[in-house]
Amino acid sequence: QVQLQESGPGLVKPSKTLSLTCTVSGGSISSSSYYWGWIRQPPEKGLEWIGNIYETGTTYYNPSLKSRVTMFVDTSKNQFSLNLNSVTAADTAVYYCMRRGGAAAGTGYYYYMDVWGKGTTVTVSS
Amino acid sequence: DIQMTQSPSSLSASVGDRVTITCRASRSISTYLNWYQQKPGKAPNLLIYAASSLQGGVPSRFRGSGSETDFTLIINGLQPEDFATYYCQQSYMTPDTFGQGTKLEI
Repeated sequence: QVQLQESGPGLVKPSKTLSLTCTVSGGSISSSSYYWGWIRQPPEKGLEWIGNIYETGTTYYNPSLKSRVTMFVDTSKNQFSLNLNSVTAADTAVYYCMRRGGAAAGTGYYYYMDVWGKGTTVTVSS
Repeated sequence: DIQMTQSPSSLSASVGDRVTITCRASRSISTYLNWYQQKPGKAPNLLIYAASSLQGGVPSRFRGSGSETDFTLIINGLQPEDFATYYCQQSYMTPDTFGQGTKLEI
């Protein structure tokens, strides 16, 4: 059973870079069937997709964050990571890593977020 | 971006009730619609994908339907563990976007 675990600082100063890592256990990040990604949730608010990365390093970012986001994958460690630079208080949130799986249904192939980490709270404050 | 709008934002119900949550997309997304349940302090959990396909291990009292722009999540016979916040999410077009959530309360 695949499990994900986020790690990284819980407090980041404004204008600095937020860096988080997600460690995958119980399965290989190099499986060609999946993308890996990040979602965040500000306090008392809804969910925001940050981006996805494939084992090859191909990335897809939310346009609203694209100028500040970098994701990368380390297959030797079975990890993927998120960097978000120039952070402000608006970046304070619970950050979740997730697996983006898919399945055929009817005539289409459908993607969904089927495995999630427990989440890590990141506060941006001086 | 495709905007997802859920209604209602909150809902009060009792154990055993049947509840309906709706999700509307700002443009047609075929059936590229997923539903998640989130309990306080926990990560979201996938319930339904492709608008109506039940994720493995999810009780059959959860049912999804809809296509194009209008979707519905129905929970038949509410159980105590179902009181949570529910989100719809479209996977038709990048960026993936979520509804604002529906909080289901006792």
